[in-house]
Amino acid sequence: DIVMTQSPLSLPVTPGEPASISCRSSQSLLHSNGKNYLDWYLQKPGQSPQLLIYLGSNRASGVPDRFSGSGSGRDFTLKISRVEAEDVGDYYCMQGVQIPYTFGQGTKLEIK
Amino acid sequence: EVQLVESGGGLVQPGGSLRLSCAASGFTFSSYDMHWVRQVKGKGLEWVSVVGTALDAYYPDSVKGRFTVSRENAKNSLYLQMNSLTVDDTAVYYCVRVQGEWLRPKSGMDVWGRGTTVTVSS
Repeated sequence: DIVMTQSPLSLPVTPGEPASISCRSSQSLLHSNGKNYLDWYLQKPGQSPQLLIYLGSNRASGVPDRFSGSGSGRDFTLKISRVEAEDVGDYYCMQGVQIPYTFGQGTKLEIK
Repeated sequence: EVQLVESGGGLVQPGGSLRLSCAASGFTFSSYDMHWVRQVKGKGLEWVSVVGTALDAYYPDSVKGRFTVSRENAKNSLYLQMNSLTVDDTAVYYCVRVQGEWLRPKSGMDVWGRGTTVTVSS
């Protein structure tokens, strides 16, 4: 199984400041079709997870442009350009290049 | 409105069985791969199963041989039959939609239900 490792696991951020989360996989997520099967999800307190970024760098519908995803192969990053109070929650990366799909441990973003 | 609504959770004894259901609406159900993802309270997300548009099904080792996923396109419904349950299966179970390409997520897990809680305890 592909192991997904996120860092940091806890991320205190001052509103208006940027934030960055790293996700590394034990195997490449780059398929021969040129796509990186890496997604990012946010689970706000008390809610179901919601899709933020798919295929490494594509923002899902309705996701603010302060969220961006980058990376290829085994190293990926989620960036928030200016954190807002509503961004609080647990962030997960997930690989879908190989079954079983696997998630990172999660990164808890909190407001300072 | 695109919606997934899970049901069937509850309290069951170790070794028991439970069948979860997920009712889909607002989209062409038969065109999507459908997944179950679970989450132990206070912990992370774990992928549990997928049934593709061709009715192919896959599982992680943690549930293989005990869980069976199925779908009934005519009823826009997804199911998860869970047998030989253990305390480690206690979790919230989410039904999730994926537009797949060869069972890979073409555009992420874009719709999630609210989840149904399964508690395995004596």
